[in-house]
Amino acid sequence: GAGVSQSPSNKVTEKGKDVELRCDPISGHTALYWYRQRLGQGLEFLIYFQGNSAPDKSGLPSDRFSAERTGESVSTLTIQRTQQEDSAVYLCASSVTGTGWGYYEQYFGPGTRLTVT
Amino acid sequence: AQTVTQSQPEMSVQEAETVTLSCTYDTSESDYYLFWYKQPPSRQMILVIRQEAYKQQNATENRFSVNFQKAAKSFSLKISDSQLGDAAMYFCAYRSLTGANSKLTFGKGITLSVRP
Repeated sequence: GAGVSQSPSNKVTEKGKDVELRCDPISGHTALYWYRQRLGQGLEFLIYFQGNSAPDKSGLPSDRFSAERTGESVSTLTIQRTQQEDSAVYLCASSVTGTGWGYYEQYFGPGTRLTVT
Repeated sequence: AQTVTQSQPEMSVQEAETVTLSCTYDTSESDYYLFWYKQPPSRQMILVIRQEAYKQQNATENRFSVNFQKAAKSFSLKISDSQLGDAAMYFCAYRSLTGANSKLTFGKGITLSVRP
């Protein structure tokens, strides 16, 4: 079946502009994660959605970052007033669920490369 | 909070040889998962292998195996019979089993090159 998709693949924006990144999870996956990967670094957790529960926003680096998810479908990550330090690859992952002791593999999308000039 | 450390930024291996990638982590938890992910230039994260902390037996997946030392908090990946397609960034990751968020905590990664 279809995997996790993200759009756009690449985005170049000017400093101070707002950007919206989109993630389409695998159908039926209730858990959705956003991660940020700066150049030469590992992935940093940003935000987590699980079904209709309140999202875990503990990884968002500033109030310029926000994310929404409609039910168990599409999620958008919005970065307002972009700064050069926001330049990174933004990866989305989804899994069947995110809770409990069971093992639930996270399936990753190809990411959006954001460049702030 | 848990941390994952990959101290080697780059490694190189001859095709058909064996290479070991190192990873250490810090946690106060007794049960957790550990993972190795591969990220080729396409950016797609691919799960290579996982290890449940409560299992003493080291996980294996074809040419990939781990050396899990729980007391030492060490989790290395061994790639046998290296192939050109193994060239990529490799990330070690940790997942807690407590709390409602099963986010992954990643190391900084290691770039593996394979010489023909």
